[in-house]
Amino acid sequence: DTAVSQTPKYLVTQMGNDKSIKCEQNLGHDTMYWYKQDSKKFLKIMFSYNNKELIINETVPNRFSPKSPDKAHLNLHINSLELGDSAVYFCASSRTDRGSSYNSPLHFGNGTRLTVT
Amino acid sequence: GIQVEQSPPDLILQEGANSTLRCNFSDSVNNLQWFHQNPWGQLINLFYIPSGTKQNGRLSATTVATERYSLLYISSSQTTDSGVYFCAPRAGGTSYGKLTFGQGTILTVHP
Repeated sequence: DTAVSQTPKYLVTQMGNDKSIKCEQNLGHDTMYWYKQDSKKFLKIMFSYNNKELIINETVPNRFSPKSPDKAHLNLHINSLELGDSAVYFCASSRTDRGSSYNSPLHFGNGTRLTVT
Repeated sequence: GIQVEQSPPDLILQEGANSTLRCNFSDSVNNLQWFHQNPWGQLINLFYIPSGTKQNGRLSATTVATERYSLLYISSSQTTDSGVYFCAPRAGGTSYGKLTFGQGTILTVHP
């Protein structure tokens, strides 16, 4: 059973289009994340949700809109795609104990390679 | 935010050799993970090691949080160890598990 699954694995689209990437986790975690990996392999957090509530938004253009229908899903919708959006997008999840500093290890999905032409 | 520096940036080994990868970070941490990104792009959890030493087969890791560094040891390297190794700490006092990634060490193991 895949713990964190993303779809699609590959996404090729043209500039100006709108696209979505879906993420689901079956680990029972309450916190989910989106990370972006650029062409130089640098990984940077974009968003984090805890129990469907946005808790981290790292200076990401507002063309990117995460949506969390429940704590097992965190989808990423991108409007008006640009060439610079081409990257690999990773979803991840962890468990957070509120009131403490404990976080379980982050588990990552296999990534979605987005190519904008 | 926390700064993370990994060294060396590139490492080329012959199969069977040992190596040590280093991760320095600029702030106190309460979580640190090592990942291996394989040639297919998958991010594989290697260690969750905010402090102390752990071993898993040919790999082991040590984090000395008070001195702000972590080391990943690979012994008897194999070609399947090739890929990019990332260190990712979480700064102490931050919540919800946000990890900050280093720039990675690209490891190539030749047969």
